[in-house]
Amino acid sequence: NAGVTQTPKFRVLKTGQSMTLLCAQDMNHEYMYWYRQDPGMGLRLIHYSVGEGTTAKGEVPDGYNVSRLKKQNFLLGLESAAPSQTSVYFCASRGVAGPSYEQYFGPGTRLTVT
Amino acid sequence: AQSVTQLDSQVPVFEEAPVELRCNYSSSVSVYLFWYVQYPNQGLQLLLKYLSGSTLVESINGFEAEFNKSQTSFHLRKPSVHISDTAEYFCAVRRAGTASKLTFGTGTRLQVTL
Repeated sequence: NAGVTQTPKFRVLKTGQSMTLLCAQDMNHEYMYWYRQDPGMGLRLIHYSVGEGTTAKGEVPDGYNVSRLKKQNFLLGLESAAPSQTSVYFCASRGVAGPSYEQYFGPGTRLTVT
Repeated sequence: AQSVTQLDSQVPVFEEAPVELRCNYSSSVSVYLFWYVQYPNQGLQLLLKYLSGSTLVESINGFEAEFNKSQTSFHLRKPSVHISDTAEYFCAVRRAGTASKLTFGTGTRLQVTL
């Protein structure tokens, strides 16, 4: 049981390049999230999904797109990377059963845009 | 909307000393409260949570937090810290209900030294 995994772990992009971050979970969770973590700002929600085929904007969605074609995968895309997107990106998932609805986090992807 | 304030960005403490990490929240509705811990170069892990019932909640590694509704606080405490407790700690709030999202504070870096 791997939980939540993220690919890749590190990446360096040049301004204007594109890339896709992959998040996979093996817990059959309905909800999946993408956050970015920046110093002094905590975690901010980029996009989220409440089920296969659905996505919604979070707090800071500009410059990112997402897709949830399969229940276990949640992809985050950067079409034209900018230095302001240098950050650590975390994926999380949670189920819908139980009162706590605990989120489980992946290990993160450290992205640098030069 | 909910918000979380962690007043201390860094807390240095000597090993075996007590520590308190402060968290205040703002919400007009009932909330669930969480503390997450992030060890260096890792994702976030749930440390403890308050959903309802007893206002004092404990973790398996000696941390505890007390929900204080009148002061809208959920401070995290440990009577005697260890070097291995060095990490970043995030307070988070969620509106009680199935579809609501987590809102994180900006984090407090706990640095334990000998």
